[in-house]
Amino acid sequence: EIVLTQSPATLSLSPGERATLSCRASQSVSSYLAWYQQKPGQAPRLLIYDASNRATGIPARFSGSGSGTDFTLTISSLEPEDFAVYYCQQRRNSYSFGQGTKLEIK
Amino acid sequence: EVQLVESGGGLVQPGGSLRLSCAASGFTFSSYAMSWVRQAPGKGLEWVSTISGSGVSAYYADSVKGRFTISRDNSKNTLYLQMNSLRAEDTAVYYCAKESENWGGSDYWGQGTLVTVSS
Repeated sequence: EIVLTQSPATLSLSPGERATLSCRASQSVSSYLAWYQQKPGQAPRLLIYDASNRATGIPARFSGSGSGTDFTLTISSLEPEDFAVYYCQQRRNSYSFGQGTKLEIK
Repeated sequence: EVQLVESGGGLVQPGGSLRLSCAASGFTFSSYAMSWVRQAPGKGLEWVSTISGSGVSAYYADSVKGRFTISRDNSKNTLYLQMNSLRAEDTAVYYCAKESENWGGSDYWGQGTLVTVSS
C-alpha cells in the first residue's frame, strides 16, 4: 500500500502570498499524482492531474510539480477563494489520498 | 453539462446492507471509468472503488474488499455500490466521480449521499 504524507497539516497565509504544499509518497508513483481542492460542504474539485497538468478551467496560478516520491502544489498568488483543504491522490498502485492540507487565512 | 446525482444513502444497522446509485448525464457514460470515494464526518477523503467503462474491470480498497461491490448499467447511465456487512466505520458521505479520459484524475463529482451505520 502506498502512503501519501502531506505537509504542512495547516498553512496560514494572506491573500496575495505564495502557497507551497507538499505531498510525499512512501514509494515511487512516477507521475501518477493528482491534486484536489475541497471547500466546506462541497465535493472535491480536480486541480492537477499527472503531477503537473492543470485540469480544465483551473486558473494558471495553480501549478504542480514533482515525480517519483516528492510532489508540490504551488499557488502563485492567493485569492480569497483559494482558502480550502487540498488533497493529493496517487494513481500508481490502486488509489489513495493524502490526509490533506488546510490552507487558512492568516 | 456533466451531472452526477447520488441516491440511496440513509441509516442502517451494523451488519446490514445498502445499495447506492449514481445517475449520470451530460457525457457518454460507457466511455468512462467511474469511482466511489467516501469521507467520514470531519475526516479526509478515502478512495473506495473504481470500475472501467465497460464494467469488466473493478478495483477496491482493502477496507471494503469482499464486502462492497461496484457495478454499472450503461443502458441506464447509472453506477451502483452494493454495500454489505456494514460497520460503524463505513459511516461517511459517499461521492461518485467520473474518471478523466486518461485515468489521470476524477474530473467530475456528485454532491454525495450520507450513509450512517448505527444501532
